[in-house]
Amino acid sequence: SYELTQPPSVSVSPGQTASITCSGDKLGDKNVCWYQQKPGQSPVMVIYQDTKRPSGIPERFSGSNSGNTAILTVTGTQAMDEADYYCQAWDSNSVVFGAGTKLTVL
Amino acid sequence: EVQLVESGGGLVQPGGSLTLSCAASGFTFSSYTMSWVRQAPGEGLEWVSYISSGSSSINYADSVKGRFTISRDNAKNLLYLQMNSLRDVDTAVYYCVRVVGASRHFDYWGQGILVTVSS
Repeated sequence: SYELTQPPSVSVSPGQTASITCSGDKLGDKNVCWYQQKPGQSPVMVIYQDTKRPSGIPERFSGSNSGNTAILTVTGTQAMDEADYYCQAWDSNSVVFGAGTKLTVL
Repeated sequence: EVQLVESGGGLVQPGGSLTLSCAASGFTFSSYTMSWVRQAPGEGLEWVSYISSGSSSINYADSVKGRFTISRDNAKNLLYLQMNSLRDVDTAVYYCVRVVGASRHFDYWGQGILVTVSS
């Protein structure tokens, strides 16, 4: 079965840039979405179709996807961005989520 | 405003059954594929199942195939998940999710409902 691999944790200082990777075989051929989940809350989509940002999501969130790796980038990270982030893709008619990355803003 | 409200969760014994419902409002429910995603306590997201707008296309995660059944009632704007032969590993918060676009991304999530499987 298809797998997406994320680092368990990423740390960043306020105002700096955080990059969260998501790796999978030929992932660049698929559409990748990213979700943010804060404790006790439902997930929120922050990036879809690799690079698109839904309305209401700050411009500091961006995405890319090429080869075997998709990347979620948070530029000028703020304390409110501390959360778990999940990448997601479809493989045939099944959905795959990465295991999630905890972003810590130190 | 899009709203997805899950109900029907609770405590059930191993081997038991439970049916979750999701009431949708604020959009044309019959036009959208819908999905269930779950999250075990302290764990990540796990996709469970999806159903297309007209119920012609359905699929399940291997972990629930043969035990769970997804269905919908477009006249009532309701999505269901019938869960049989429940196991302790099925303990999780279950989210009702709308699927949208050519890339089939999950744009709206319900608040989630807790299902606890325990004796």
